Amino acid sequence: DAKTTQPPSMDCAEGRAANLPCNHSTISGNEYVYWYRQIHSQGPQYIIHGLKNNETNEMASLIITEDRKSSTLILPHATLRDTAVYYCIVRLNRFNKFYFGSGTKLNVKP
Amino acid sequence: NAGVTQTPKFQVLKTGQSMTLQCAQDMNHNSMYWYRQDPGMGLRLIYYSASEGTTDKGEVPNGYNVSRLNKREFSLRLESAAPSQTSVYFCASSGPTPDTQYFGPGTRLTVL
Repeated sequence: DAKTTQPPSMDCAEGRAANLPCNHSTISGNEYVYWYRQIHSQGPQYIIHGLKNNETNEMASLIITEDRKSSTLILPHATLRDTAVYYCIVRLNRFNKFYFGSGTKLNVKP
Repeated sequence: NAGVTQTPKFQVLKTGQSMTLQCAQDMNHNSMYWYRQDPGMGLRLIYYSASEGTTDKGEVPNGYNVSRLNKREFSLRLESAAPSQTSVYFCASSGPTPDTQYFGPGTRLTVL
């Protein structure tokens, strides 16, 4: 599985969009990009995933660059409850193994 | 529908003691996983089970054993606990579609 690189922390003002970057320069053609988050000490929560195209759901949008070497998770209107550690994971879809890195701690401030 | 449940929530052991962490899911998922999370770190995969009757090692399997008892249950055993195994342990399960993992609330284990 390709490795990912994320900034250790980011700040965002409440109500503004939070853009969380992830580099995965060694990604191969059949590897998916997944995003999870972990609020405080709870179990991680699935957010979104994609292969090549941009994806959107009720929680967030995922923008994947054309060369697929990086992606951005967008929370369109961050709230205080979005304060969490966000993990970007790249893996082969046929293998049910996720490798979490250290993630990005997002601090949403009033 | 309880999702993924784990027992116990908290446990304190002495070095050398053994114990089994229990995990169950009611979502009819084929795959189940055990992770550990040390303070300030991301999750690391210990073992996983792609389907009933199969198990495989993850990143950090040493010192642990697992049993996929049936489709619902996946247990993690520490035969001789060590202080280095002090951590929070998360169990997860996933189905084929969508291909996402659902996590339990975690077991906080301290080994003295």
